[in-house]
Amino acid sequence: AQKVTQAQTEISVVEKEDVTLDCVYETRDTTYYLFWYKQPPSGELVFLIRRNSFDEQNEISGRYSWNFQKSTSSFNFTITASQVVDSAVYFCGGGTSYGKLTFGQGTILTVHP
Amino acid sequence: SAVISQKPSRDICQRGTSLTIQCQVDSQVTMMFWYRQQPGQSLTLIATANQGSEATYESGFVIDKFPISRPNLTFSTLTVSNMSPEDSSIYLCSVVPRGGNEQFFGPGTRLTVL
Repeated sequence: AQKVTQAQTEISVVEKEDVTLDCVYETRDTTYYLFWYKQPPSGELVFLIRRNSFDEQNEISGRYSWNFQKSTSSFNFTITASQVVDSAVYFCGGGTSYGKLTFGQGTILTVHP
Repeated sequence: SAVISQKPSRDICQRGTSLTIQCQVDSQVTMMFWYRQQPGQSLTLIATANQGSEATYESGFVIDKFPISRPNLTFSTLTVSNMSPEDSSIYLCSVVPRGGNEQFFGPGTRLTVL
């Protein structure tokens, strides 16, 4: 079975602050992948990133960056210079090649102007 | 990516009735799934919709309650049967496009059962 733990239930920051969302994914699978989705107030799920378990390279995409450390099963997500539009619920989780995803409980991020 | 539409986008239903939700994709996909998101909660996988055969259900979900069809590579339906207020949730379909690994979600169907 897989277990996803998102340490923060809610985070509140002021615009332009950096913010890191923590995620730990525990599984007995030797091969798996990790992901992050964003769910803004409108409700749709927006795909952010998928990373294979054998690829521990950090990734940066604009203001977003992800740090995967297999030794600690962590896949943390950092938003640099946060903006009000970043306010959303962020879900991390993991899955297998069969496509079945296990989601964490989500972190509610509120960015104040 | 893929363009995914769901119908209806929302509905309010009476206890004991059934609702069928449609998921249409603009291109052929390898895999289709159905998820449930209860109010204020995370997403839980209901089942994998298999093309031309019976769906594969996750623990806690059964075919009699959530019958699923997938007649081709671009379309699937989920029926929520004999509804109760506990079925009030957002139901989302997701797909894995051919040649890709990422999973994309439809806009969801917001169901309220009175």
